[in-house]
Amino acid sequence: DGGITQSPKYLFRKEGQNVTLSCEQNLNHDAMYWYRQDPGQGLRLIYYSQIVNDFQKGDIAEGYSVSREKKESFPLTVTSAQKNPTAFYLCASSMSGRNYGYTFGSGTRLTVV
Amino acid sequence: AQKITQTQPGMFVQEKEAVTLDCTYDTSDQSYGLFWYKQPSSGEMIFLIYQGSYDEQNATEGRYSLNFQKARKSANLVISASQLGDSAMYFCAMREVTNTGNQFYFGTGTSLTVIP
Repeated sequence: DGGITQSPKYLFRKEGQNVTLSCEQNLNHDAMYWYRQDPGQGLRLIYYSQIVNDFQKGDIAEGYSVSREKKESFPLTVTSAQKNPTAFYLCASSMSGRNYGYTFGSGTRLTVV
Repeated sequence: AQKITQTQPGMFVQEKEAVTLDCTYDTSDQSYGLFWYKQPSSGEMIFLIYQGSYDEQNATEGRYSLNFQKARKSANLVISASQLGDSAMYFCAMREVTNTGNQFYFGTGTSLTVIP
């Protein structure tokens, strides 16, 4: 079945460590996105990529980095520069066009310990 | 200005009753898409329903319908015959096509609680 796989589901990070969240899709979607969600809040866009080897900053890109070397994969690295990384992270993908919505992964819950 | 506004942080509905979740949007485009997503406590985002700006009929998907009033820029979600499993966060979203590509905007969400 086609879909988006995020891993791990839960992740714990020590202060000062970089961690990488995985996002893989087999839907042949061109665009991929990373969102952050804090408790009781909406979604905030971190980075997005419309095509391979290209990506743009979203609203809260500071302290995060991404790569898009393959169409299927869009990993997110939470760096030590991100001062408050504890949150729920959602990856999404979509076809181009205004009538296409997102397909979301099941999310990664990151906690700093 | 907010692109998507959901003015109801929390809503309660009796089981088997209908409920309307409000959503207004702001765009100068003529062509756009409107979406509703459900987020249960597990965290996954589930697509519920889509309405295109040129669609003349209101979208329906099972117990979900979208009350689309284009002139008022309103896209309310109606859930009929509420079930306990409908308790979740609900997000309204809009997709525009801009000169930098597709832009997707989310509202802040409405928390729905279904009371037995």
